[in-house]
Amino acid sequence: EIVMTQSPATLSVSPGESVTLSCRASQTVGTTLAWYQQRPGQAPRLLISAASTRATTIPPRFSGSGSGTEFTLTISNLQSEDLAVYYCQQYYSWPCTFGRGTKLEI
Amino acid sequence: EVHLVQSGPEVKKPGESLKISCKASEYNFETYWIGWVRQMPGRDLEWMGIIYPRDSDTRYSPSFRGQVTISADKSINTVYLQWSSLKASDTAMYFCARQSGRALYDSFDSWGQGTLLTVSS
Repeated sequence: EIVMTQSPATLSVSPGESVTLSCRASQTVGTTLAWYQQRPGQAPRLLISAASTRATTIPPRFSGSGSGTEFTLTISNLQSEDLAVYYCQQYYSWPCTFGRGTKLEI
Repeated sequence: EVHLVQSGPEVKKPGESLKISCKASEYNFETYWIGWVRQMPGRDLEWMGIIYPRDSDTRYSPSFRGQVTISADKSINTVYLQWSSLKASDTAMYFCARQSGRALYDSFDSWGQGTLLTVSS
């Protein structure tokens, strides 16, 4: 099973700042990597698939990059609604696995 | 817009059985894999398994194989997650989610609202 490691676990940020979240895979996953946002009390929402492709309706201030084992999610011009936990997921191999998440505190 | 509507919260006792549901609409139900994701109190998301409704081909994570059963009824566009004997450790939120593409493994582009299961004596 591929282990996904996210860092940091928690990040304190201010509105208007930019932030970069990291996700590392225990072995290569190519670009089969997704990012999700989970706001308090809500279901996860797909932000990015294929490492860098924004999902429908996701604004361009969310961007993903990386390949192989190292990936990042960058959120620019942070808004209060970005307070959430962000998860990465690999779908390169079975079973698909999630990271433990990075919590953004505004 | 894809809709996935899950059944309501459940409170059960250890040893009881349960089947929760996820009804899909606004897309071709038979030709997209749908999966189940567990989120125990705290925060981790766990990929449990997926099913292809057209032929009910099902794939389980090793952690969940034998612990749950995933099934589908394509006549009513509904996927199910079933337990035969619940344990307290099954207490969690369960999400159904549709995979984005037709590939065997893919990201989840649409999610249900979640079903909260509490198992307690």
